[in-house]
Amino acid sequence: GAVVSQHPSRVICKSGTSVKIECRSLDFQATTMFWYRQFPKQSLMLMATSNEGSKATYEQGVEKDKFLINHASLTLSTLTVTSAHPEDSSFYICSARGQGPGEQYFGPGTRLTVT
Amino acid sequence: SQKIEQNSEALNIQEGKTATLTCNYTNYSPAYLQWYRQDPGRGPVFLLLIRENEKEKRKERLKVTFDTTLKQSLFHITASQPADSATYLCALDLFMNYGGSQGNLIFGKGTKLSVKP
Repeated sequence: GAVVSQHPSRVICKSGTSVKIECRSLDFQATTMFWYRQFPKQSLMLMATSNEGSKATYEQGVEKDKFLINHASLTLSTLTVTSAHPEDSSFYICSARGQGPGEQYFGPGTRLTVT
Repeated sequence: SQKIEQNSEALNIQEGKTATLTCNYTNYSPAYLQWYRQDPGRGPVFLLLIRENEKEKRKERLKVTFDTTLKQSLFHITASQPADSATYLCALDLFMNYGGSQGNLIFGKGTKLSVKP
């Protein structure tokens, strides 16, 4: 089946610094990728839709200047959390849309801890 | 308001029994409904997808039903095993205004299933 990877799997950073998370589709091309955030015991919340070669579409309440998304190629999307604060600590998960209707493949997630 | 709810936060059953999980939604028109498994600290893993015009879908020990009138999906695991212990998420994939799915998923909070030996 299709594989999506994320890097890093865990990151700890100091408040005020920026963190970049990579999402790669390993064996297929993904024109559309999605970024989700999940707090403990909560559902996955969609943050933004990333389209290759164009600007990302952000969900209501998500600051686009804080969460920078770049979908530079058909296999790579990056999420940069700028000027991170402790409240940004969460589990960030990306997914990539497959070719078939409804197909979506998730990465293993990145645990971000901001101290 | 739009809501997606999974009937219980946790479900404990005995090995060998059938686990039944419920997903209800209001004020959505999903193109597809999907079920995922999520283990602690991991991303969701796709299990089954059922279309809005399908009533039932099966895959090995898994069965999903979809009732668009009741706005409900049931997810069954038969002959459950301790290895089935995980959180199960339902997700809606919505219609776009001009047809087709939007592709972004609306997730429920999940039901944590524990299967005791």
